[in-house]
Amino acid sequence: QVQLVQSGPEVKKPGASVKVSCKASGYTFTSYGITWVRQAPGQGLEWMGWISANNGYTKYAQKVQGRVTMTTDTSTSTAYMELRSLRSDDMAVYYCARVWPTGTFCPDYWGQGTLVTVSS
Amino acid sequence: QSALTQPASVSGSPGQSITISCSGTSSDLGSYDVVTWYQQHPGKAPKLLVYEVNKRPSGLSNRFSGSKSGNTASLTISGLQAEDEADYYCCSFSDSRTLVFGGGTKLTVL
Repeated sequence: QVQLVQSGPEVKKPGASVKVSCKASGYTFTSYGITWVRQAPGQGLEWMGWISANNGYTKYAQKVQGRVTMTTDTSTSTAYMELRSLRSDDMAVYYCARVWPTGTFCPDYWGQGTLVTVSS
Repeated sequence: QSALTQPASVSGSPGQSITISCSGTSSDLGSYDVVTWYQQHPGKAPKLLVYEVNKRPSGLSNRFSGSKSGNTASLTISGLQAEDEADYYCCSFSDSRTLVFGGGTKLTVL
């Protein structure tokens, strides 16, 4: 069965960076993409971007462009999302989710989420 | 990009049917038949309910159904049950080659 298992919670200071991992299993990793979605406390879902696990193509949301980098390691079927220059409004649960390789469809399977706390 | 528009809350009694709307524009929801709906219980990850407007994942109850007309999509839940109480989100692809989500709708089962 398809599973996406994310790394554990993080506590960071403003200005620091965080890197969240997402290990995929149960399907051919390079046949799909991975999208990252975050959810601030009590708020809705916000799309951050996606990466093709086949060719590494990325597309980022304007709001985080320049601060975010999404990568994959096909040898371990793991996707990564790094967010730099953290601010208080970056505090959220970060989800990875599987998408079709074209990136033109909304995700189907989701990871369990990773809470990132930003606090001085 | 702007979020899709959903009502903040809807409610219904057990056994009733409710409909949640999701409004977009001709640059997103109106141009692509990929609108997807998710259910999210507190502290949990979103769960896929409906994809490509009206398709259900294997094994999902047929109480959940989707439709689309123009720039508006709808999710209907029939035979409401207590466990349906959750937040519901819609999602679509957009002309800017990004995904856009609705703001979410809280369903209360009375």
